[in-house]
Amino acid sequence: AQSVTQLDSQVPVFEEAPVELRCNYSSSVSVYLFWYVQYPNQGLQLLLKYLSGSTLVKGINGFEAEFNKSQTSFHLRKPSVHISDTAEYFCAVSGPDDKIIFGKGTRLHILP
Amino acid sequence: KAGVTQTPRYLIKTRGQQVTLSCSPISGHRSVSWYQQTPGQGLQFLFEYFSETQRNKGNFPGRFSGRQFSNSRSEMNVSTLELGDSALYLCASRRGSTDTQYFGPGTRLTVL
Repeated sequence: AQSVTQLDSQVPVFEEAPVELRCNYSSSVSVYLFWYVQYPNQGLQLLLKYLSGSTLVKGINGFEAEFNKSQTSFHLRKPSVHISDTAEYFCAVSGPDDKIIFGKGTRLHILP
Repeated sequence: KAGVTQTPRYLIKTRGQQVTLSCSPISGHRSVSWYQQTPGQGLQFLFEYFSETQRNKGNFPGRFSGRQFSNSRSEMNVSTLELGDSALYLCASRRGSTDTQYFGPGTRLTVL
């Protein structure tokens, strides 16, 4: 069975500073990996996904993530955050059974 | 193209009652998944339906059930409500197993 660990429940960062949100997964088989964002009082929106191919994945809103198979990680990065990036971010994994398992989320707080 | 819609958006029930939530997927999407989101447990997978058949199921008691109709619309039912069932219930649809999952805005259920 797959599992996802988001190492930080909250991350404060100053506006225009870079940010990295960490995600580690556990699986004995090949997986697909996703990052979703949830703005207050809304559903989830896909930021990016890794299915295969290049390990560096670019998503919407300037986010990117790197798939590292040896470290079983899929960390999310943005070089310069904006106040509008304030949200909760979820890492997710799916395996051969197509069931998508989410991490517990990381709240990104942008400080002025 | 219209997004995933969920009705109702807000619901207040009392313990012991039952509730039915509805989800209309994006046109052409045959897969509908349901998730429960709570502050303590995060996003937990309830079940997925594909072409009217339950394809995957999470670890929830039998009080939680669902179904999917021939037009891909899905309903989720919770019987004998408990206080701990208070949560945001999210529905997501996708075309196929490796396709992007699109989420609805959720139904906020409060059990008093």
